[in-house]
Amino acid sequence: AQSVTQPDIHITVSEGASLELRCNYSYGATPYLFWYVQSPGQGLQLLLKYFSGDTLVQGIKGFEAEFKRSQSSFNLRKPSVHWSDAAEYFCAVGARGATNKLIFGTGTLLAVQP
Amino acid sequence: EAGVAQSPRYKIIEKRQSVAFWCNPISGHATLYWYQQILGQGPKLLIQFQNNGVVDDSQLPKDRFSAERLKGVDSTLKIQPAKLEDSAVYLCASSTGEGNEQFFGPGTRLTVL
Repeated sequence: AQSVTQPDIHITVSEGASLELRCNYSYGATPYLFWYVQSPGQGLQLLLKYFSGDTLVQGIKGFEAEFKRSQSSFNLRKPSVHWSDAAEYFCAVGARGATNKLIFGTGTLLAVQP
Repeated sequence: EAGVAQSPRYKIIEKRQSVAFWCNPISGHATLYWYQQILGQGPKLLIQFQNNGVVDDSQLPKDRFSAERLKGVDSTLKIQPAKLEDSAVYLCASSTGEGNEQFFGPGTRLTVL
């Protein structure tokens, strides 16, 4: 069965510092992988996705993520965090097939210090 | 392009009452999803429609939850009767199909007292 683990519940970084949010997944084959961001009171917005091909994926707002099959990981990175990046970040794995069902991790809440 | 619309945005009810949520997906999106997001957790899929047919409702508590998408466009999710543990944000999403991005609405925050 699919599952997603985000080991960090809460992370605080200083503005301008680099960021890495961890995501590990369990899936029998190569999954679809996604990172979504959720600001308070808002729905989820897609940051980036991996379907196939290049394992380093570029997304919106300066984010990138790297798919590492050997480690079953899809960590999200940003070289320099802005105060507006404070939000909750969710990693999700999608099943290949008719259902296109997404399984989400429990999320990582990012706080940005001035 | 208009996004996924949901209403109401907030709802407070007492336990054992009934409640309904409405979702209008992005025009042309055949697939519609309802997720439940409990505080501190990631969204969990309740039901998925492809046009007006159900693809996956394995995690829908069918004794109290029901959903329909009669004309293959907008959808309604109902809870009857509500329990305290149903307090959550109910998110609707739509997509054009397999592997494609799911676009999420702003959600309905339900509080059951």
